Amino acid sequence: EAQVTQNPRYLITVTGKKLTVTCSQNMNHEYMSWYRQDPGLGLRQIYYSMNVEVTDKGDVPEGYKVSRKEKRNFPLILESPSPNQTSLYFCASSLLFQGASGTEAFFGQGTRLTVV
Amino acid sequence: QKEVEQDPGPLSVPEGAIVSLNCTYSNSAFQYFMWYRQYSRKGPELLMYTYSSGNKEDGRFTAQVDKSSKYISLFIRDSQPSDSATYLCAMSASGTASKLTFGTGTRLQVTL
Repeated sequence: EAQVTQNPRYLITVTGKKLTVTCSQNMNHEYMSWYRQDPGLGLRQIYYSMNVEVTDKGDVPEGYKVSRKEKRNFPLILESPSPNQTSLYFCASSLLFQGASGTEAFFGQGTRLTVV
Repeated sequence: QKEVEQDPGPLSVPEGAIVSLNCTYSNSAFQYFMWYRQYSRKGPELLMYTYSSGNKEDGRFTAQVDKSSKYISLFIRDSQPSDSATYLCAMSASGTASKLTFGTGTRLQVTL
């Protein structure tokens, strides 16, 4: 089954304690991305990657790091989480080129992070 | 002003009604337009994908794009309770997957 798997689904942590949210896809997609979803703000892109060892900032990258050492994995790292990073996080993957006929972007189930 | 504006709702309709969901945008470079459906506690899933202006139909769903007005719509015919979800519009300027801009989503409730 084609899927994007995120872990953990729920996480409560304290300010300043480093954490990693994992993301893995089994579709051999080049493109992977992290979003955060907040009420009234919608989905905002944090970081994206077009292939192994190629990453770039999205709209809200401050306070986050990513790495892409393998094609299937794209972990999101919060070195020193703060309460304003409390949010619902989604990982997504797709083929890189989408053309006029389109291609499907697959999202993970989400990670609900609370930083206290 | 946000690049993509979407009424958050909630929108409540009776079963069988025709639903109209809309987004407006300000960036004239957008050429690729998508609608995602997001059920509660789930990730978004792609529903419709349209390139440039025009209509696209898939079963009970029709997507319309009017680039001259910077306005896109999703119509749902014969709405069902299973259509109850949040609908997100998304758009991009390029044919690559690098930059998607999302609307905030409209919550739809279809009642029996």
